[in-house]
Amino acid sequence: DAGITQSPRYKITETGRQVTLMCHQTWSHSYMFWYRQDLGHGLRLIYYSAAADITDKGEVPDGYVVSRSKTENFPLTLESATRSQTSVYFCASRRDSPNEKLFFGSGTQLSVL
Amino acid sequence: AQTVTQSQPEMSVQEAETVTLSCTYDTSESDYYLFWYKQPPSRQMILVIRQEAYKQQNATENRFSVNFQKAAKSFSLKISDSQLGDAAMYFCAYCGGSQGNLIFGKGTKLSVKP
Repeated sequence: DAGITQSPRYKITETGRQVTLMCHQTWSHSYMFWYRQDLGHGLRLIYYSAAADITDKGEVPDGYVVSRSKTENFPLTLESATRSQTSVYFCASRRDSPNEKLFFGSGTQLSVL
Repeated sequence: AQTVTQSQPEMSVQEAETVTLSCTYDTSESDYYLFWYKQPPSRQMILVIRQEAYKQQNATENRFSVNFQKAAKSFSLKISDSQLGDAAMYFCAYCGGSQGNLIFGKGTKLSVKP
């Protein structure tokens, strides 16, 4: 089925390890986003991408790396995980126009021990 | 930088009553878009309603309506005839016309009492 999928759904890792969260969408949407959701902070934008090979920082990019070599994929990498990166991570996509709604993945719950 | 503020961390409403959730934003742009998203306990994000800043008429979607005050930079959500299924986190969000990114507020947790 068409849609936006994130993997893994749950991940436990240790501080200092590298972790990659995957995001794949089948609509060929131009825009893709990574948000983290924490209690009391709502959703905060980490990185976003307007097209393949175009990425921009959001509000909280430190400690994260993204790439977008193909339109449909937008992986998020934590280069050296820290406990403060324990969070629920959401990937989202949408068409070009800013008034288009976002389509969200189911989220990845990441715990850094 | 644009900011979105939701000043009510939690709200409660009696079933069948009306509740209003507040949202203010800060921007220097004249062209932008505003949204309300709902997140039930399932964590799924659902678009409730959206408003284009150039439209003076307030958006409505069934029991959901907004009060958009552009000069005051206010975008409140009114839920009429509240139902148990309306219980969720509600997020206000902003997207500038010249930008690609969507900025969210911290959310308001709405409880509905039977």
